[in-house]
Amino acid sequence: TQLLEQSPQFLSIQEGENLTVYCNSSSVFSSLQWYRQEPGEGPVLLVTVVTGGEVKKLKRLTFQFGDARKDSSLHITAAQPGDTGLYLCAGAKRLWNAGNMLTFGGGTRLMVKP
Amino acid sequence: EAQVTQNPRYLITVTGKKLTVTCSQNMNHEYMSWYRQDPGLGLRQIYYSMNVEVTDKGDVPEGYKVSRKEKRNFPLILESPSPNQTSLYFCASSFDERNTGELFFGEGSRLTVL
Repeated sequence: TQLLEQSPQFLSIQEGENLTVYCNSSSVFSSLQWYRQEPGEGPVLLVTVVTGGEVKKLKRLTFQFGDARKDSSLHITAAQPGDTGLYLCAGAKRLWNAGNMLTFGGGTRLMVKP
Repeated sequence: EAQVTQNPRYLITVTGKKLTVTCSQNMNHEYMSWYRQDPGLGLRQIYYSMNVEVTDKGDVPEGYKVSRKEKRNFPLILESPSPNQTSLYFCASSFDERNTGELFFGEGSRLTVL
């Protein structure tokens, strides 16, 4: 059982549609990051949310951190083919050695068709 | 150009034949980490290092070894690879030794163990 559940796992939509990806957990995180990964490449950070209830916008992407810091959502408005990729959420927890461990969700594979 | 470089990018090997995947970063980052990525399971941490000569186990360390003799290099060693280690491997680094910030990922190394 994964600590972070992402849904949906797969999403295929037409250009111009809106979509929301969810990242849910029963654990509390100190912060949560969203990454996007394209084929043949490593993940690239999109945003970090830290405060419960925080909302951050990155052009057509809106990220929200749940009030209890257990869940997050990514909403894309008017999706473009360039948004195609694997979206990963990652929750941060403090370790015994004062470091932070990132736990990744299983990912949402998004395809936006022209 | 700031980057994390992994080698080899692709490797097919046989059970029991020792192999090393190298990782090098040119950003003077303190923190480095290895992940494996499997379908539906997201990224799972194998080992991490908060600084030179400091390494710790992640979620799935069995069958792997690492070393951090220099700041820039963090090789992943499979002493006796088995088919269940067939996966896509990513090396990542972060400026902060506590990994509170962005993770920078390499392009990945796809390993197949026959």
